[in-house]
Amino acid sequence: EDQVTQSPEALRLQEGESSSLNCSYTVSGLRGLFWYRQDPGKGPEFLFTLYSAGEEKEKERLKATLTKKESFLHITAPKPEDSATYLCAVLRGGGTSYGKLTFGQGTILTVHP
Amino acid sequence: NAGVTQTPKFRILKIGQSMTLQCTQDMNHNYMYWYRQDPGMGLKLIYYSVGAGITDKGEVPNGYNVSRSTTEDFPLRLELAAPSQTSVYFCASSYWDRDPLGYTFGSGTRLTVV
Repeated sequence: EDQVTQSPEALRLQEGESSSLNCSYTVSGLRGLFWYRQDPGKGPEFLFTLYSAGEEKEKERLKATLTKKESFLHITAPKPEDSATYLCAVLRGGGTSYGKLTFGQGTILTVHP
Repeated sequence: NAGVTQTPKFRILKIGQSMTLQCTQDMNHNYMYWYRQDPGMGLKLIYYSVGAGITDKGEVPNGYNVSRSTTEDFPLRLELAAPSQTSVYFCASSYWDRDPLGYTFGSGTRLTVV
């Protein structure tokens, strides 16, 4: 059974204080690892897909990295508008995955001015 | 483009009542999904569809039913609502070819069963 565990559950940062969110996963033949951002009362918004160990992707103050067992979402010099819940999800390989993602429980990030 | 549209946004049901959550996408995506989100539990897959007329169960299908008569619509039916079905429901869609792409989610339906 695929499993995704995110840590910490909640993270409070001061504006400009860089940090990282962790996503540990167990999946049979990873096809892709996904990061989403979710604002209160809204649906998750797609951020990144990572396909193989060693891959990195960046978007503004966010950088996602991937190893064979975990992914990190690095937040550099965060701003209050980066406050949100960040979700990690994995997609297993194979012809019967049908795009079904397994999600972690999320990390609630709060950035104080 | 509207993307994925869910209605209603909020609903309160009494135990034993039934309702249909509507989901429509205008991106010609072939795959569609229903997830529920409970506090601290992440998103759990209820049902999914790989195309019109084809649906299958996800991780937590009990108490729910779906149909997919068109590419655009994927309604979720709750029969005999129970307090355990109090949750936020999200519909999502994607187009899966050789490269997996991220889901597009709707804005959710917050359901309370009392």
